[in-house]
Amino acid sequence: DTAVSQTPKYLVTQMGNDKSIKCEQNLGHDTMYWYKQDSKKFLKIMFSYNNKELIINETVPNRFSPKSPDKAHLNLHINSLELGDSAVYFCASSQDGGRETQYFGPGTRLLVL
Amino acid sequence: GDSVTQMEGPVTLSEEACLTINCTYTATGYPSLFWYVQYPGEGLQLLLKATKADDKGSNKGFEATYRKETTSFHLEKGSVQVSDSAVYFCALRLSGGYNKLIFGAGTRLAVHP
Repeated sequence: DTAVSQTPKYLVTQMGNDKSIKCEQNLGHDTMYWYKQDSKKFLKIMFSYNNKELIINETVPNRFSPKSPDKAHLNLHINSLELGDSAVYFCASSQDGGRETQYFGPGTRLLVL
Repeated sequence: GDSVTQMEGPVTLSEEACLTINCTYTATGYPSLFWYVQYPGEGLQLLLKATKADDKGSNKGFEATYRKETTSFHLEKGSVQVSDSAVYFCALRLSGGYNKLIFGAGTRLAVHP
């Protein structure tokens, strides 16, 4: 009964490949997020969706494209992977248009070789 | 710009020792302040929060007071346990606008018996 789940947990791939990370929340929240944690442990927001609509889009390469098929899912697709994309990616969700506490998934560790 | 600065880790303590993890912030307006904790292999969990100056957040024996005059939100616990070993993240959310969290770099705490 995990609240926010991500798949896969680990992802090892070659430069130039395209990959997706999936996120699902069963909390009934209306807002979902993607964060990136780099090698120095800094966590930065990438995207936020509210009711399937993009509301936060930080300065990330357009190789990153979030997709929200419904309120409970926010997937992250990455094209033409680069070495610098290696990081831990966290999904999160919250209620009330994003005014409430954010609940985080366990993270996906991506390694680009 | 808006930012959060945490003391660098790792912090290594013996069980029952006192803990302080320093956190200072730079932000316009009146942000809300948070401490999140990440246990090994898990996602981030909200530990405590404070939404206005002089508020004290507390949970599981941890406390932090929102000090606007020193722009600080230091995390304290009087007696740590081995089970407190984790990474602790300080974060702020700007007043107004969307629910965008800005995180510090995280501080790893290791508690030994």
